[in-house]
Amino acid sequence: EIVLTQSPGTLSLSPGERATLSCRASQSVSSSYLAWYQQKPGQAPRLLIYGASSRATGIPDRFSGSGSGTDFTLTISRLEPEDFAVYYCQQYGPTFGQGTKVEIK
Amino acid sequence: EVQLLESGGGLVQPGGSLRLSCAASGFTFSSYAMSWVRQAPGKGLEWVSAISGSGGSTYYADSVKGRFTISRDNSKNTLYLQMNSLRAEDTAVYYCAKDQAEVQGVIMEYDYWGQGTLVTVSS
Repeated sequence: EIVLTQSPGTLSLSPGERATLSCRASQSVSSSYLAWYQQKPGQAPRLLIYGASSRATGIPDRFSGSGSGTDFTLTISRLEPEDFAVYYCQQYGPTFGQGTKVEIK
Repeated sequence: EVQLLESGGGLVQPGGSLRLSCAASGFTFSSYAMSWVRQAPGKGLEWVSAISGSGGSTYYADSVKGRFTISRDNSKNTLYLQMNSLRAEDTAVYYCAKDQAEVQGVIMEYDYWGQGTLVTVSS
């Protein structure tokens, strides 16, 4: 089973700053099969990125995904107030990473 | 508009059973694989089970294999999860989730999620 490790566990940033979230896999993952989700308290997850770098429908272009093999990154170019949430990576095995919380500094 | 509405959660004793349902609308239900994903209180996401659009292929996490059964009724646009021999560690919010791609198999890339139903296993 592929294990996904996300870092950092918590990211404390201010609105307008850039957020860089990491997802490392225990073995190589096909780039076609890596997704990122956003989850806010009391809500279901929302698909942000699929296929490692494709934005889902309706997702703002400040969200971008990159990476290949065992190292993947979600970047939020300029944090908006509504972006403070928990982010999960997922490979289509499927397994999820443990999540990164992006909190207001 | 795609909608997924789970029901059937509640409080059950260890060793008991529960059946969850997920009513789908706004898309051609039989064309998409569906999954159940759970989230224990304060914890991360854990995939539980998946089923192809036709219902012919099913998949389970090791943690629930032999205890849970996923099924679907395409005539009723409804997904089910029969949960038997429930344990305290099964306590979680259970989400149904729709595959994004319209394919014969199962991709497990989820573009729509329900609001979740809480299952609590406790005596």
